Amino acid sequence: ILNVEQSPQSLHVQEGDSTNFTCSFPSSNFYALHWYRWETAKSPEALFVMTLNGDEKKKGRISATLNTKEGYSYLYIKGSQPEDSATYLCASLDSNYQLIWGAGTKLIIKP
Amino acid sequence: KAGVTQTPRYLIKTRGQQVTLSCSPISGHRSVSWYQQTPGQGLQFLFEYFSETQRNKGNFPGRFSGRQFSNSRSEMNVSTLELGDSALYLCASSPGTSGGIQETQYFGPGTRLLVL
Repeated sequence: ILNVEQSPQSLHVQEGDSTNFTCSFPSSNFYALHWYRWETAKSPEALFVMTLNGDEKKKGRISATLNTKEGYSYLYIKGSQPEDSATYLCASLDSNYQLIWGAGTKLIIKP
Repeated sequence: KAGVTQTPRYLIKTRGQQVTLSCSPISGHRSVSWYQQTPGQGLQFLFEYFSETQRNKGNFPGRFSGRQFSNSRSEMNVSTLELGDSALYLCASSPGTSGGIQETQYFGPGTRLLVL
């Protein structure tokens, strides 16, 4: 069974600072990597779907990179704002076309 | 477009009872997936339905079942509830046309189930 790990589990960042966190997945039989943001009391919201080694995606101040050969993806947030406080989830698509989810990184932005 | 809706939002049941949760996908979406989320765990995949057929199934016991109707609405049923079934149950819809490889999942607000 594919195992997806996210680190750190939680992160406190000062408003205005930049930050990043990691999603690790098995590099064999890679299909796709999804990133989602889950704010408290809301539904998970898609950020990126990445499929190719070396992919870089950007959405405003948030960007992500993908390394399928070594099995990791980084999510970067530039100039953190209070509204960035959320749990960031990654999920890797396995050979059965199921999304296997990491436990998430909880990001708290301190004003 | 209206988003994914789930009913009920909260539910309290006792051990041994059964429960049915409902999910209405975004209009035009034909794939509905169900997930269980418990504290400290990532989302656990239950099953996916596409065009009224179960297309994928996660590693859950047979007490967990589902179905999808012709209008793509889906229901999930849990029989003989156990304390460990207490969780947030999320459903997500997607168009379903590319087999899920590159499809974004659109999540509902979830049903929080408490089993006493």
